Amino acid sequence: GENVEQHPSTLSVQEGDSAVIKCTYSDSASNYFPWYKQELGKGPQLIIDIRSNVGEKKDQRIAVTLNKTAKHFSLHITETQPEDSAVYFCAAIYNTDKLIFGTGTRLQVFP
Amino acid sequence: SAVISQKPSRDICQRGTSLTIQCQVDSQVTMMFWYRQQPGQSLTLIATANQGSEATYESGFVIDKFPISRPNLTFSTLTVSNMSPEDSSIYLCSVEGSAGEVDEQFFGPGTRLTVL
Repeated sequence: GENVEQHPSTLSVQEGDSAVIKCTYSDSASNYFPWYKQELGKGPQLIIDIRSNVGEKKDQRIAVTLNKTAKHFSLHITETQPEDSAVYFCAAIYNTDKLIFGTGTRLQVFP
Repeated sequence: SAVISQKPSRDICQRGTSLTIQCQVDSQVTMMFWYRQQPGQSLTLIATANQGSEATYESGFVIDKFPISRPNLTFSTLTVSNMSPEDSSIYLCSVEGSAGEVDEQFFGPGTRLTVL
């Protein structure tokens, strides 16, 4: 069935360094890939997304890249700050409107 | 993005009882979804709440356990029936973006359920 793998499960970086989270998906028909940030005690917040017609998208310190041939996409956070600490989830759409989520990455940014 | 609220925000319940969770959106949306997030885990889709018709359930979830209502385009409820400790989770509703491009989903704050 449809599957999204996410790595790493935990990631610790020093403030100011970059962080990269990688995901792979199984459904070649998937064409929409969002990233969510979930802080403790809150619901997931959509932070960036990418569609299959582009290879990269940037929004200030965050960027997402997509390789449709290899069926993987990545989240890049530059100049990390302590407030970036959270759990990040990637997702891929299937059956036109359903999201399947990765297993999550707990990012810790140390001052 | 839509503003989504959920009630209650958290609850502690006894096994064998039922809890109904409400999801309210500040604008009309076509698609509403219910997810479960078990402690420390990822999100799993329970069902799609369809306005004016029965919900569409994912594999492993059934209507008798998780009845859903969708009386209009801004409101939905999820009931967790005959609860057991295994039902302790965060339950999240989401909506597909009404003002932006299709497919964008926005989540409510979640309902944290503990079953004793």
